[in-house]
Amino acid sequence: AQSVAQPEDQVNVAEGNPLTVKCTYSVSGNPYLFWYVQYPNRGLQFLLKYITGDNLVKGSYGFEAEFNKSQTSFHLKKPSALVSDSALYFCAVRDMEPNDYKLSFGAGTTVTVRA
Amino acid sequence: NAGVTQTPKFQVLKTGQSMTLQCAQDMNHEYMSWYRQDPGMGLRLIHYSVGAGITDQGEVPNGYNVSRSTTEDFPLRLLSAAPSQTSVYFCASSYSWVRGREGYTFGSGTRLTVV
Repeated sequence: AQSVAQPEDQVNVAEGNPLTVKCTYSVSGNPYLFWYVQYPNRGLQFLLKYITGDNLVKGSYGFEAEFNKSQTSFHLKKPSALVSDSALYFCAVRDMEPNDYKLSFGAGTTVTVRA
Repeated sequence: NAGVTQTPKFQVLKTGQSMTLQCAQDMNHEYMSWYRQDPGMGLRLIHYSVGAGITDQGEVPNGYNVSRSTTEDFPLRLLSAAPSQTSVYFCASSYSWVRGREGYTFGSGTRLTVV
């Protein structure tokens, strides 16, 4: 079974400060990991993914995420947050081993960046 | 370049009514799925399909039916609507497992209210 936990319902930061959104996962094999962002009344948009290779993954809009296998984590980071980064963020995982395509999502973290 | 198209965007049903949520993709994706999004619960998988003629249940399939007669279309049917089915529904698609390193492409969602 695969699962994802996002331990923080909300993250509040000031514009210009670093932003971190936490994610931990559980899979029986090796993971494919994803981050998505959802703006109000919109669908989910792909931010970045970890498949294999470098543990630091760079994605859209200046976001990056660090894969840590020993801690089973995939935290999303941005060095300097913008007010426009305020949105709902989802972490998702897919186990590489089973021959299916299912993604499991976390409950989401609401990010608010204040001016 | 339509991507994943969901219709309708909004719907209000009375308890006991039936309806079909439409989902179509023009990317020749083999995999299609339906999720429901509820506050604090993230996205939960309802049904999915790995190709035309093949469907399977996800985490929360009760009260929903699907079919996949073509690669492009994956409609979700509510058999007898209940207030517990009030939610936002998302359709998502992706390439096959061999090319499945990509994330999903999401539709813009259908907001359903059952009264």
